[in-house]
Amino acid sequence: KNQVEQSPQSLIILEGKNCTLQCNYTVSPFSNLRWYKQDTGRGPVSLTIMTFSENTKSNGRYTATLDADTKQSSLHITASQLSDSASYICVVCPRGGGADGLTFGKGTHLIIQP
Amino acid sequence: SQTIHQWPATLVQPVGSPLSLECTVEGTSNPNLYWYRQAAGRGLQLLFYSVGIGQISSEVPQNLSASRPQDRQFILSSKKLLLSDSGFYLCAWSTGVVNSPLHFGNGTRLTVT
Repeated sequence: KNQVEQSPQSLIILEGKNCTLQCNYTVSPFSNLRWYKQDTGRGPVSLTIMTFSENTKSNGRYTATLDADTKQSSLHITASQLSDSASYICVVCPRGGGADGLTFGKGTHLIIQP
Repeated sequence: SQTIHQWPATLVQPVGSPLSLECTVEGTSNPNLYWYRQAAGRGLQLLFYSVGIGQISSEVPQNLSASRPQDRQFILSSKKLLLSDSGFYLCAWSTGVVNSPLHFGNGTRLTVT
């Protein structure tokens, strides 16, 4: 069964600090790995999409890395801001599968304190 | 630019009552459309998806149904709600191109009492 495990489940850091969120998956072979940001009570918003051949992708202060050999991905947030408080969801798409085949992690709930 | 609208934002319904949630997409044609449910502490669960008018695929057996009467309109329905139907319902669209992102609406918080 395809699984996506995220850690930590929740995280509290001070404004201005960096943090790294982890994602381990069992989906194989896979087509792409995605990170989404979900503000409370809102729909998820796409941060990055990495294909199996990419190792890193950045979107402003967000940098995602991917190690397809160990089936691990991380999302690094630099110089955190209060607006970064949200849930971050890792999503894996199997090869040959469309968006209907996505496997979602449960998310990491990040709180930025002033 | 493309936008996705979902309504209502919140809904409180008694057990046994009907349900109709609506989702529309603007600025694109022939999108793939999806309904997800997000329960607390769980990952998003795909309920239905559609690749065209009148074409609906169901992922999970349940008392919900979906319809796509127009190219950019997707409706989630139930004839009789159960307590277990409570949750956060999200509509999403994609172009269907490989590696293209999913674009989500802002969801409907449904509470069945």
